[in-house]
Amino acid sequence: SAVISQKPSRDICQRGTSLTIQCQVDSQVTMMFWYRQQPGQSLTLIATANQGSEATYESGFVIDKFPISRPNLTFSTLTVSNMSPEDSSIYLCSVELGAEAFFGQGTRLTVV
Amino acid sequence: GNSVTQMEGPVTLSEEAFLTINCTYTATGYPSLFWYVQYPGEGLQLLLKATKADDKGSNKGFEATYRKETTSFHLEKGSVQVSDSAVYFCALSGARYGGSQGNLIFGKGTKLSVKP
Repeated sequence: SAVISQKPSRDICQRGTSLTIQCQVDSQVTMMFWYRQQPGQSLTLIATANQGSEATYESGFVIDKFPISRPNLTFSTLTVSNMSPEDSSIYLCSVELGAEAFFGQGTRLTVV
Repeated sequence: GNSVTQMEGPVTLSEEAFLTINCTYTATGYPSLFWYVQYPGEGLQLLLKATKADDKGSNKGFEATYRKETTSFHLEKGSVQVSDSAVYFCALSGARYGGSQGNLIFGKGTKLSVKP
């Protein structure tokens, strides 16, 4: 199994600012995934981050808004840039290990 | 594209009642299907999965059968407990990475509350 530590667990931010979310895994993994869960909605994949290459973004998500770093096989960050109230969501990090997906506890972001 | 439609909640049941949470999907090819559970204050956890048609996934008294003819993967439990109170998500594997579990498409989630 994999244990994922995600920080911060929650934050309240001013519009126009940026927040960086960290995801630390206790195992080396090739791919890490970032999801967003908007209020009352399902989880939506933002991007896939492979170590050593640029992240692959899903339709509707762009690098300028959600830059991702993947410096090594156990760590990744997602930045939510120039935030607006519409960015208020739960952001989750996920990894696949042994043919099973594991999730962090999520970062609950509120933009005011 | 691939999608998952899940019964909306919240669902409130008494202890020992029978539970069904409906899930249907649209997909090309042969995706794997999953149920995830999120207990209060915790992260998402895999509850059960099925990787091909007619497979039955089971765990902790929960079951779901991969029905290709009805494109469904309904979650059932014969007798729920208070400790089953959680949010349940139906999901299917995305196509981009050959069904990699990491690339999942989720339903909206169903909140279950079980009363003593």
